Amino acid sequence: KAGVTQTPRYLIKTRGQQVTLSCSPISGHRSVSWYQQTPGQGLQFLFEYFSETQRNKGNFPGRFSGRQFSNSRSEMNVSTLELGDSALYLCASSLSGQVYTDTQYFGPGTRLTVL
Amino acid sequence: AQSVTQPDIHITVSEGASLELRCNYSYGATPYLFWYVQSPGQGLQLLLKYFSGDTLVQGIKGFEAEFKRSQSSFNLRKPSVHWSDAAEYFCAVGVNNDMRFGAGTRLTVKP
Repeated sequence: KAGVTQTPRYLIKTRGQQVTLSCSPISGHRSVSWYQQTPGQGLQFLFEYFSETQRNKGNFPGRFSGRQFSNSRSEMNVSTLELGDSALYLCASSLSGQVYTDTQYFGPGTRLTVL
Repeated sequence: AQSVTQPDIHITVSEGASLELRCNYSYGATPYLFWYVQSPGQGLQLLLKYFSGDTLVQGIKGFEAEFKRSQSSFNLRKPSVHWSDAAEYFCAVGVNNDMRFGAGTRLTVKP
């Protein structure tokens, strides 16, 4: 079974631009979560989608948004990029999104650099 | 304040030596506890998790962790470290159906 895939793997943008990152979960998984990883703040939860609905959201500004499609693939969008948005963005999928009982499988991440 | 603390930013051990990585949490109730490993350029992989029951949890790759309620700790251990264990290790807590991660401990393995 193929793992979680994220595209692109690397991205360079300039301040003020917007970016869209994509995540394809493991086949059969309906939940997709997104995390931001930076050296200063560590791993922080962005949001979680299940069956095309956002169920949980972390403490990030409205510039960060996401969506999930009927095939469970998910995208996250960051508008008006800031230097501080430079990070590794990780996507994780699980069967039902119940963090306590499901195992989350992580993709390799998208490395975003904002210049 | 609710938090997950990994006191050691970086640990170096010799190959074959034992390993213990520390994790402390501060939450109102007993949370759901996890250990993940991240190799360079990779995503996170779940090593083990604790929800309830036996406080000694066995995981993959020969790792185990012990939950100690009185100390609010969930330390990760391995009896004999292999060079391939060099990576970053994250302790995490499940809260309100999302994950809160510690800052991570980077493990270096000396030959």
